[in-house]
Amino acid sequence: AQKITQTQPGMFVQEKEAVTLDCTYDTSDPSYGLFWYKQPSSGEMIFLIYQGSYDQQNATEGRYSLNFQKARKSANLVISASQLGDSAMYFCAMREGASGGYQKVTFGTGTKLQVIP
Amino acid sequence: DSGVTQTPKHLITATGQRVTLRCSPRSGDLSVYWYQQSLDQGLQFLIQYYNGEERAKGNILERFSAQQFPDLHSELNLSSLELGDSALYFCASSVAPGTRQETQYFGPGTRLLVL
Repeated sequence: AQKITQTQPGMFVQEKEAVTLDCTYDTSDPSYGLFWYKQPSSGEMIFLIYQGSYDQQNATEGRYSLNFQKARKSANLVISASQLGDSAMYFCAMREGASGGYQKVTFGTGTKLQVIP
Repeated sequence: DSGVTQTPKHLITATGQRVTLRCSPRSGDLSVYWYQQSLDQGLQFLIQYYNGEERAKGNILERFSAQQFPDLHSELNLSSLELGDSALYFCASSVAPGTRQETQYFGPGTRLLVL
C-alpha cells in the first residue's frame, strides 16, 4: 500500500482563488509528522507547512493551511488567494517513527499546480 | 535560501565511475537526510544521519554509501555508476528528528548525469 497518496497529478486554479491539494497517508505509527513542500520549475524544494500527529489544531503558515483530519488520515493543503508564483509541483510527505528510534520519510508523487491569470 | 549548501551543483560522469556529493547542513542542525529524485522513481529517501550516526535507511543501493563527519557535514558516495543513477540528489537538514523541530530544509541539489 502507498504510504502517501496524492490523487491529483495536475490542477488548475484561477488567480486569487483558493485551491485544495489532496493528500492521504497510511501509517500505524502513533507518532508521525506531515509536511508539504513546493518545487518550482527551478528545482529547489521549499518547505511550506508542518503538522505533527499529536497537534490539536490545524497548522497555518501565511496563505497556506493544512486541513488535518486524523481519523480519515488526510492532510490536505489549502492555498488561499492563489498567485502566479504558486505554479509549481507540490509534494506531501510523512515522517514515521519516534524520536530516538528508526525513522523514515516518504514523499507522495506530487501535484502539479498551474495558476491561471 | 534554506541555509543548506550542496556541492557540486552539476556533475557529469561516465558509467562505472565513482563520485562524491557534499552537503553542509544549516547551522545548528544535527540531522542530515539524502534523497534521490528521478523522473521514473519520484523523490526517494536514501539515508539519514543524526549527529554522526546513521539513524534510518531508505531505498539506498549497496553501491551508495554516506557518512556524517564531526563538523556535521555529510558526503554521499556513489560508485560503479549506471545510467539509471542519473538524477537530482538532494540533501536536507533538520534540528532534530521526531520533534517539533524536525522540519527538513532542502539544499539546492546536485544534478548528476551519467553518460
